[in-house]
Amino acid sequence: DTGVSQNPRHKITKRGQNVTFRCDPISEHNRLYWYRQTLGQGPEFLTYFQNEAQLEKSRLLSDRFSAERPKGSFSTLEIQRTEQGDSAMYLCASSPRDRLISNNEQFFGPGTRLTVL
Amino acid sequence: DAKTTQPNSMESNEEEPVHLPCNHSTISGTDYIHWYRQLPSQGPEYVIHGLTSNVNNRMASLAIAEDRKSSTLILHRATLRDAAVYYCILVQGAQKLVFGQGTRLTINP
Repeated sequence: DTGVSQNPRHKITKRGQNVTFRCDPISEHNRLYWYRQTLGQGPEFLTYFQNEAQLEKSRLLSDRFSAERPKGSFSTLEIQRTEQGDSAMYLCASSPRDRLISNNEQFFGPGTRLTVL
Repeated sequence: DAKTTQPNSMESNEEEPVHLPCNHSTISGTDYIHWYRQLPSQGPEYVIHGLTSNVNNRMASLAIAEDRKSSTLILHRATLRDAAVYYCILVQGAQKLVFGQGTRLTINP
């Protein structure tokens, strides 16, 4: 399978613990996005990387959240001191460098479902 | 972010065409109209996009109004596997996707 992969698929943690999620984009996709989705809502943008550079961060990304993309390949999203409000599906997407800038087709992974008890 | 308006839900029958509307009255000249869908328990999936002209691909057709203030996603022959939440999104370049509530499509056998 050459799609976007995310690990783990499910994570249950206690309030106050730190968690880290990993996203492996499609090979050679230079753009990588993180979104968060709560039940019954559409996904909300968190942050965006072009290669290893983090180009945009949402206001939703508080100082407890940090994302990295070393070497422009896989990415990690860490949440420190988790709160119950962090419970959500965390989605990763990637898109290729395309000379047609309009073609921003994003390929999504299956997501990591976080439950904070 | 330019906003879109979609009906909360729609229902159709298997093997019939489905027309999913989207209003985007504040669209700018550089906004592309993208459609994604999200099947149950999966991440969103790209369906189609366009700028001014109508577009066709293997999944669907996109009809764009002449003034670009509305568009319609057309599924020519719905199957049960098309039951999903469909999102209409205005996109500029490599920017983030701003999802609304979308339209929950139910397909009856």
